[in-house]
Amino acid sequence: QVQLVQSGAEVKKPGSSVKVSCKASGGTFSSYTISWVRQAPGQGLEWMGRIIPILGIANYAQKFQGRVTITADKSTSTAYMELSSLRSEDTAVYYCARGENSSSWPDYWGQGTLVTVSS
Amino acid sequence: EIVLTQSPATLSLSPGERATLSCRASQSVSSYLAWYQQKPGQAPRLLIYDASNRATGIPARFSGSGSGTDFTLTISSLEPEDFAVYYCQQRSNWPNTFGQGTKLEIK
Repeated sequence: QVQLVQSGAEVKKPGSSVKVSCKASGGTFSSYTISWVRQAPGQGLEWMGRIIPILGIANYAQKFQGRVTITADKSTSTAYMELSSLRSEDTAVYYCARGENSSSWPDYWGQGTLVTVSS
Repeated sequence: EIVLTQSPATLSLSPGERATLSCRASQSVSSYLAWYQQKPGQAPRLLIYDASNRATGIPARFSGSGSGTDFTLTISSLEPEDFAVYYCQQRSNWPNTFGQGTKLEIK
């Protein structure tokens, strides 16, 4: 049974950084594609980027380029999304989602992590 | 960036009726399109991938069609649990954009 378990809610100050984790179980982590998607309150879904752990290659939406870093630790089957220079507009629920391989769509999702940016 | 436009924004129907949701891409995405369902407080759920393939465990009342720029999600006979927000997503180009969503509500 595949599961993605994300780290808990965070409250951050503007200008700071946040790092959200996503621990996978029940499958072959190295072959996954792990995507990160966020959802601001009452808004739609926004794709941020993805990583293929076996390759260690990450792709990012240009909107977040320079502010977001997605990494993966194969030894612990955990992916990370770090977002820097936080502003109030970054307040959102952040989801990780896995595709079984590099050509698969995200079929299992984490429970979401609420990040609140407030002074 | 490819823009996906979903219509209608809100669809009001009754259980047992047929639902037809549309997703139009600003340029061709071939068949690299998926549909997700999201209920309040929950993560999205993959319904359809590559335009017309049902994901594992998805009931047969859900079907997808289309290619290029025009896509449709059809729910043949609405069940009470189908009332939710539906999103399309493309992965033809970076970034893998989502549509703005269609809210399917009970009439």
